[in-house]
Amino acid sequence: RKEVEQDPGPFNVPEGATVAFNCTYSNSASQSFFWYRQDCRKEPKLLMSVYSSGNEDGRFTAQLNRASQYISLLIRDSKLSDSATYLCVVNKWNTDKLIFGTGTRLQVFP
Amino acid sequence: EPEVTQTPSHQVTQMGQEVILRCVPISNHLYFYWYRQILGQKVEFLVSFYNNEISEKSEIFDDQFSVERPDGSNFTLKIRSTKLEDSAMYFCASSEDSNQPQHFGDGTRLSIL
Repeated sequence: RKEVEQDPGPFNVPEGATVAFNCTYSNSASQSFFWYRQDCRKEPKLLMSVYSSGNEDGRFTAQLNRASQYISLLIRDSKLSDSATYLCVVNKWNTDKLIFGTGTRLQVFP
Repeated sequence: EPEVTQTPSHQVTQMGQEVILRCVPISNHLYFYWYRQILGQKVEFLVSFYNNEISEKSEIFDDQFSVERPDGSNFTLKIRSTKLEDSAMYFCASSEDSNQPQHFGDGTRLSIL
C-alpha cells in the first residue's frame, strides 16, 4: 500500500464550482499533515497545514480524520487560477522528511 | 516574503561528471532539506540537515551524494559521478524547526546527457 494515496484526477470543473479532494495515508504514526499546490514544472507551495479540528483559509477547508487516516481539501467558488496539482503531504513522528502523494490535478475552465 | 533561492535554474552535465546544486535557505530557518522529482513522478525526500550534520537520509541518497553548509547562508548538494537516472528537478527546502511547514525553492532542473 502506498504511504500517501491520492486520486490523480484530472478533475475538470467550471469556475464557481465546489470541488473536494481526498487523500489516505498508511502510517498511523503520522504527525503532521499539509496540502501543497504545485503548478506545472514549479516548486511545491504550501497551501495549508491540516489540523485535527479542521481548518479554513478563505475558500479552502481542510479536514483530518485520524481514525480513518484520511485527509480532505475542499475548494469553494473555484477560480481559473486554482488550476494546479494538489499534493497531500504527511510527516511522521521523529522524522524530518515529508512524504508526498502523487497529487491530484485540478483544471478549472471558464 | 522571505524565500528559498536555488541556483542554477537549469544544469546540463555529461554523465560521470560532478555537479553542485546551490541553495540559500530562509535566513532564520534551522532545518534544511533536499528533495527531487523525476518528470511525471512524485516529490521524493533525499536528505535533511540540522546543526551542521545530516539528520536523516533516504535510500536514494547513496555515496554519490553529499551535502554541505560551507558558510552561514549556503546549503549545497553535490553529486559526485552523475548517472542518467539522476536527471530530475531538485528542490531545496527549509523550515524553522522539524514540525513546521517546509518552504521550497523554485528548483534546479538537472539534465544528464
